[in-house]
Amino acid sequence: DVVMTQSPLSLPVALGQPASISCRSSQSLVHSNGNTYLNWFQQRPGQSPRRLIYEVSNRDSGVPDRFSGSGSGTDFTLEISRVEAEDVGVYYCMQSTHWPPYTFGQGTKLEIK
Amino acid sequence: EVQLVESGGGLVQPGGSLRLSCVASGFTFSGHPMHWVRQTPGKGLVWVSRIDGTGLHITYAESVKGRFTVSRDNARNTLYLQMNTLRAEDTAVYYCVRDLSTLDYWGQGTLVTVSS
Repeated sequence: DVVMTQSPLSLPVALGQPASISCRSSQSLVHSNGNTYLNWFQQRPGQSPRRLIYEVSNRDSGVPDRFSGSGSGTDFTLEISRVEAEDVGVYYCMQSTHWPPYTFGQGTKLEIK
Repeated sequence: EVQLVESGGGLVQPGGSLRLSCVASGFTFSGHPMHWVRQTPGKGLVWVSRIDGTGLHITYAESVKGRFTVSRDNARNTLYLQMNTLRAEDTAVYYCVRDLSTLDYWGQGTLVTVSS
């Protein structure tokens, strides 16, 4: 199974400041078709997860453009350019290149400093 | 508006069974693979099962293989998860998730508690 490792696990950020979350996979996430299936989810307190980014850098509909994804191979990053109060929650990366199983990172808890 | 509404969770004794349902609306249900994903405080998000749009191609996590059965009724826009021989470690919130360029839209979840 592909192991997904996120860092940091806790991320205190002041309002208006940038935030960055790293996600590393135990093997390359480049599919044989050339695509890379690395996705990011946000889970606000008391809510279900919501997908933010798919295939490394594609933002889902309705996701603010302060969220961006980047990376390749085994190293990926989710960045928030200016953190807002509504961004508080847990962020998960997930790979869907080598399935089954689909595998998630441990989660990174973002809080306002 | 896409909606996924799970039901069927509850308290069950170890060794018991439970059947979860997920009613979908707001999209062409038969056109999408669907997943079950569970979440526990200790282990985060764990993928459980995937079923394609026809219901013919199914995969499971090793931890539930042989005990859980996923199915779907496209005429009723409903996804199911039959869970047998339940264990304490199956305790979790179970989410029904649509697949659109991989997992995208999640239901609100239903809590399953396995305890004597």
